[in-house]
Amino acid sequence: EIVLTQSPGTLSLSPGERATLSCRASQSVSSTYLAWYQQKPGQAPRLLIYGASSRATGIPDRFSGSGSGTDFTLTISRLEPEDFAVYYCQHFSFGPGTKVDIK
Amino acid sequence: QVQLQESGPGLVKPSQTLSLTCSVSGGSINSGTYYWSWIRQPAGMGLEWIGHIYNSGSTNYNPSLKSRVTISVDTSKNQFSLKLSSVTAADTAVYYCARSSSYFYMDVWGKGTTVTVSS
Repeated sequence: EIVLTQSPGTLSLSPGERATLSCRASQSVSSTYLAWYQQKPGQAPRLLIYGASSRATGIPDRFSGSGSGTDFTLTISRLEPEDFAVYYCQHFSFGPGTKVDIK
Repeated sequence: QVQLQESGPGLVKPSQTLSLTCSVSGGSINSGTYYWSWIRQPAGMGLEWIGHIYNSGSTNYNPSLKSRVTISVDTSKNQFSLKLSSVTAADTAVYYCARSSSYFYMDVWGKGTTVTVSS
């Protein structure tokens, strides 16, 4: 069973800053099956990135995904107030999440 | 566009079976190469994939829940369902249904329904 770990657990940043979130798989995975989601309190998750680097419909271009093998990254180029949320990576099962909160 | 809505009892007694239904609107559950998934999230915790079903009826379950989970589809009603047997307090969570692509990412989600296991 492939296990995903995410780091850091919490990322404290200010609006306008760049956020870099990491997702590491316990063994090499196909990037085709790697996705990222955003979840805000009281809401269902929203698909941001699929296939490791393709943005889902309606997702702003400040969100980008990269990586291959065991290491994947979600980057938010300039944080907007609405971007403070929890982010999950997924390869079949989900990683534990990274919370991006306001510094 | 496709929308999903979960329904079912909000309270289930320990040792009983949790049963939820996801109604699909705005599209046919039979169309395209989609899987129909269940995911849950205990309060304050992360997401746990429960399993999914293809419109042919083939299923795949999380190994940690496999012995207790059944997912089925009713194409005539455009619905799919989750049954989780022998529930305990640890099964208390928000349960989401979602549409998954053939690459298993979930692009459409229901709003979620809270299920509490308590006597």
